[in-house]
Amino acid sequence: GENVEQHPSTLSVQEGDSAVIKCTYSDSASNYFPWYKQELGKGPQLIIDIRSNVGEKKDQRIAVTLNKTAKHFSLHITETQPEDSAVYFCAANSGYSTLTFGKGTMLLVSP
Amino acid sequence: SAVISQKPSRDICQRGTSLTIQCQVDSQVTMMFWYRQQPGQSLTLIATANQGSEATYESGFVIDKFPISRPNLTFSTLTVSNMSPEDSSIYLCSVGEGVGSTEAFFGQGTRLTVV
Repeated sequence: GENVEQHPSTLSVQEGDSAVIKCTYSDSASNYFPWYKQELGKGPQLIIDIRSNVGEKKDQRIAVTLNKTAKHFSLHITETQPEDSAVYFCAANSGYSTLTFGKGTMLLVSP
Repeated sequence: SAVISQKPSRDICQRGTSLTIQCQVDSQVTMMFWYRQQPGQSLTLIATANQGSEATYESGFVIDKFPISRPNLTFSTLTVSNMSPEDSSIYLCSVGEGVGSTEAFFGQGTRLTVV
């Protein structure tokens, strides 16, 4: 089955800096890679995703890149703000809407 | 995206008892799933809730412990049976909106504490 590794487990940045979270996956059949943001006491919120036919996708301050050959994908957040502080999960699909998640990255943005 | 409501949002239960968690979606969805998130951990798929048939369980999860119902395309329940403190987790309902769809959306979760 699919295995997803995520690094780092914690990330502290100053407001305005950029943050990068990296994930690798094992199953070459996976073709969908979402990122979720989970705030304390809430369910995961889909923030951006990328499919295997695309190398990069941007949405305002958030971007995701995918390297299919190396089986890794990354989340980039620019101009970080304190409200970006949360746990971020990467995932890869193991079938229709079935996801295998990384272990999560706790991002702390200090004012 | 669909609006997903879970009940209860949290509960504290005695060991040996059972709790049924409800998931209601505001529109018909093809796929419904149940995940478990143990304290400080990632999300693990428990099972796929199949409408009109038995759920499909992932390795390590069994029907006797986690019976699931899905009577229609907008509703599902997960029961955590004969609970022990190790079952203390957040249980999350997830939906996929169409055939061939890969996007998955989550409810707010049910925070269960077993004492």
